Amino acid sequence: GAGVSQSPSNKVTEKGKDVELRCDPISGHTALYWYRQSLGQGLEFLIYFQGNSAPDKSGLPSDRFSAERTGGSVSTLTIQRTQQEDSAVYLCASSLKGGGPHEQYFGPGTRLTVT
Amino acid sequence: AQSVTQPDIHITVSEGASLELRCNYSYGATPYLFWYVQSPGQGLQLLLKYFSGDTLVQGIKGFEAEFKRSQSSFNLRKPSVHWSDAAEYFCAVGLSGGSYIPTFGRGTSLIVHP
Repeated sequence: GAGVSQSPSNKVTEKGKDVELRCDPISGHTALYWYRQSLGQGLEFLIYFQGNSAPDKSGLPSDRFSAERTGGSVSTLTIQRTQQEDSAVYLCASSLKGGGPHEQYFGPGTRLTVT
Repeated sequence: AQSVTQPDIHITVSEGASLELRCNYSYGATPYLFWYVQSPGQGLQLLLKYFSGDTLVQGIKGFEAEFKRSQSSFNLRKPSVHWSDAAEYFCAVGLSGGSYIPTFGRGTSLIVHP
């Protein structure tokens, strides 16, 4: 079946512009996660959705970052007024359920470059 | 808060040699433990996981890992490495209770020489 998809695969933007990153989770997966992977770093947790609600958004680095999920499916991560330090690979993952040690399925990521 | 340490940034092995990737965690209770692999340009794929029970866990692609509570470790092993195993490997630790969102280590890059 279809896995987690993300778009775009690559995004180059100028400093100060807003960007939107999209994640399509596996159908039926109620939990969705966003991570950021910087060069040489591990995965940095950003936000977790259970359905359309975000019970944990503790990883969002600043108020320039926001995310939403609609219809219990697609999620969009928005970065406003991008900065060069926002350059990273943004990974999305979904799991059948949240609130438990369920396997996460990852998308291929969106590579964001801020010039 | 839990933390995960992968002490080796890079590991180089010859094809056919055995492999051990180290992972140590810091948490008082027994956590949930995962190993993921990330091939270039790909998302992460789960290799294996430990929740409870037998401390030696078998995964996909011939990998195994052993949970050692006394050492707070969950090292990944493979008896004979193939060139296709070259990738980035991440250990992750999940906290029981709450949202179970795992904390990931910084990763170990595996280089395989022919």
